[in-house]
Order: sequence, then structure tokens, then C-alpha cells
Amino acid sequence: SQKIEQNSEALNIQEGKTATLTCNYTNYSPAYLQWYRQDPGRGPVFLLLIRENEKEKRKERLKVTFDTTLKQSLFHITASQPADSATYLCAHGSGNTGKLIFGQGTTLQVKP
Amino acid sequence: SQTIHQWPATLVQPVGSPLSLECTVEGTSNPNLYWYRQAAGRGLQLLFYSVGIGQISSEVPQNLSASRPQDRQFILSSKKLLLSDSGFYLCAWSAPAAGGPQHFGDGTRLSIL
Repeated sequence: SQKIEQNSEALNIQEGKTATLTCNYTNYSPAYLQWYRQDPGRGPVFLLLIRENEKEKRKERLKVTFDTTLKQSLFHITASQPADSATYLCAHGSGNTGKLIFGQGTTLQVKP
Repeated sequence: SQTIHQWPATLVQPVGSPLSLECTVEGTSNPNLYWYRQAAGRGLQLLFYSVGIGQISSEVPQNLSASRPQDRQFILSSKKLLLSDSGFYLCAWSAPAAGGPQHFGDGTRLSIL
């Protein structure tokens, strides 16, 4: 069955640096991937969606790439700030129902 | 604008007691609705989803059930809670067409004693 994997180890970086988070999937390439941010005790918040025919998507300081050859999506936050500290979840679509399969998330800690 | 409401925010229940968690969406029609559970430090596990009134699909066998009595109301229930039902329960909605983002409520933290 399809699996989606994110690095379970926390990522610690210095303020101002670029944070890069990885999302790998097995088997077939999903039609799209989505990225969410989740703060402790809160529901996830949608950030970006990238389709399989798109190589890259940007939104302000965020950038997402989709490499179907490597079966991987990278999520970048440039000029990171302590307020970017959160858990970031990757998800892909399943079928035509709108259902999503989520990775376990990677926690980012940006230190001032 | 669309909003999603989930309540209660926290709940402590004894083993064997019933459960009812409610989720309502405002500002949209015919949304897809979802119930997830999230264990501590883990990803989201889809429990149920619904594409319309009275239409419920269960993703995993368990001690829980879901109902959608109205277009924008989604209810998660149990007749007898187990210790393993503890967790963070999240409701979400998305537009009817597949491929769009999901919008989450702020969740219910359920502790079973």
C-alpha cells in the first residue's frame, strides 16, 4: 500500500537560515501533494498544494518541489523565523474522494 | 467565509461511558467531512469521511461510529469507550471536488480514565 514518510527527527536551525523538510512516498506517484502546518494543540493549517505536473510552487517565503523520479517532495522555508517553529505535515490525495494520507510530520525548531 | 467548529475542546471520560463529539461547518454547502485521530507525536489517522448526508465511509475497524444528520454536521460517537480511544480528534472539511485542501477544526483532546 502507498506510504508517505517524513523525517521523524526534529529539525533545529538558526534564525535566518533556510529550513528544508523532506517527504517521500512509495509506489505510485500521487496526483498532488499538500503541506500543512500544525501548532501544538491545534488543528493543521493548509499551506501549499503541488500537482504532479508542477516542479515547483512558491508562496511568500515558502517553496515546495515535487520530483516524481525521486518520489519526493521538498518543503523550504527561507529566512526562517522563530515563529515558523511548528510541525509540518505532508499529505497526498487518495482516489477521487478528497481523502488524504498524511505523513507523521516533522517538527521544526527555529532558534533566535 | 467558511468556519468549522468542534466541541468540546477537552473531555475526560471513564472507560465504558458513551461518547459524542460534534463538528459543524458554516459558510459552505455540501462539503466533504472527515474525522481523524492523532496519537501523541504521530500523524493523522483517517477514521471516517462523508461526501453527503447519511453517507459515511469507515476507514478502520474500531469502537467508534460517525453520523451526518445534516449537510454541515458531523458527529463522532461511541457506545462504550475503551482506554485505547484516548487521543486528539480532529474534524475537517473540504470542497466537494477532489484535490483541494482540507480545513481543520481545533480538535478535541479525549482522555479515557
